[in-house]
Amino acid sequence: AQSVTQPDIHITVSEGASLELRCNYSYGATPYLFWYVQSPGQGLQLLLKYFSGDTLVQGIKGFEAEFKRSQSSFNLRKPSVHWSDAAEYFCAAKNFNKFYFGSGTKLNVKP
Amino acid sequence: ETGVTQSPTHLIKTRGQQVTLRCSSQSGHNTVSWYQQALGQGPQFIFQYYREEENGRGNFPPRFSGLQFPNYSSELNVNALELDDSALYLCASSLVGGLSYNEQFFGPGTRLTVL
Repeated sequence: AQSVTQPDIHITVSEGASLELRCNYSYGATPYLFWYVQSPGQGLQLLLKYFSGDTLVQGIKGFEAEFKRSQSSFNLRKPSVHWSDAAEYFCAAKNFNKFYFGSGTKLNVKP
Repeated sequence: ETGVTQSPTHLIKTRGQQVTLRCSSQSGHNTVSWYQQALGQGPQFIFQYYREEENGRGNFPPRFSGLQFPNYSSELNVNALELDDSALYLCASSLVGGLSYNEQFFGPGTRLTVL
């Protein structure tokens, strides 16, 4: 079955520390991949996307993600986390006309 | 440029009733997708409409149906509401045909509570 897995439900990091959120997908071919952020009571905002080409993609708010075909992963990274980054992050994949989201990782930022 | 809007913001219904949720796509977008996000879960894809036709559907029963209008606005209809239908319903619009085809822009959602 096609799926997107985010193995970490909650992550807490200190402000200024680096961040990596994990995402794995299971599909026959490489789907289009996305990371979204959702603040409480808000809709989803696109951080970045990968369609093809360079496996390291840059997004908004200083985020980047690296696509690794051999590991079926698309992990999100940020070198220095700000308190305003506290939110829930969703990895998503598009395969044909269907979209699949992971269950999300809730990020807490310690002062 | 107007973003994706959804109405109503909140809605309370009782089991067995029917509900209609509305979405206005971002200006220039011709595709709309609907998602159900239960509390503590990721969004689940319900279906997608393009040129007023359904062209992709997730694992949702037929009592979830939709419409897309010529102005690309959309409705999600749910019949025979069940308690498990309580969720945040998200609408997302995108443009088919351009480089931004796969990029979706989400509305703020409609919170449906079924009692």
